[in-house]
Amino acid sequence: AQSVTQLDSQVPVFEEAPVELRCNYSSSVSVYLFWYVQYPNQGLQLLLKYLSGSTLVKGINGFEAEFNKSQTSFHLRKPSVHISDTAEYFCAVTPLRGGADGLTFGKGTHLIIQP
Amino acid sequence: KAGVTQTPRYLIKTRGQQVTLSCSPISGHRSVSWYQQTPGQGLQFLFEYFSETQRNKGNFPGRFSGRQFSNSRSEMNVSTLELGDSALYLCASSPLTDGYTFGSGTRLTVV
Repeated sequence: AQSVTQLDSQVPVFEEAPVELRCNYSSSVSVYLFWYVQYPNQGLQLLLKYLSGSTLVKGINGFEAEFNKSQTSFHLRKPSVHISDTAEYFCAVTPLRGGADGLTFGKGTHLIIQP
Repeated sequence: KAGVTQTPRYLIKTRGQQVTLSCSPISGHRSVSWYQQTPGQGLQFLFEYFSETQRNKGNFPGRFSGRQFSNSRSEMNVSTLELGDSALYLCASSPLTDGYTFGSGTRLTVV
């Protein structure tokens, strides 16, 4: 079984400041990792994913994340946030064994951008 | 390329009734999974279907069921609705070799 911990339920940041949203996972097998964003009354939009290869992954809207296997972490970063980045962010994992297990999500981090 | 389509977007039902939600995956995606999102429990995996077969199920009571048709469209059914079933139900499709793409969800309110 897998579990995902998002260490901060809420992160307030001033506009144009950098931000890091933290994600740690636990799994007995290798996993794929994902970050999703959810705007109010909408579904989940994929920001980025780590499947294999380079541990630094770049996604949409200027976000990037770094996979650290030894620390079982997949923290999300953005060097300069915009008011439109205000949303709920979810880290998720699924086992490498080719589907059927669905995604295991963290509880989410609410990113609040202050002008 | 059309995305994942979920219908209806909003639904209000009475306790004890049953409900059926529909999900049309991205063309070519044969895997469909369902999730329940509530403020208290967050996002929880319900079940996953591939080629009309349920391959895995989350920790939900038997009142929650689903199926997948030969064209990969999927439905989920909740019988004997309870107030606690009020949630956003999300469907995701996947080609299995890549990530999951989500629909906009169905907001179910049980009164």
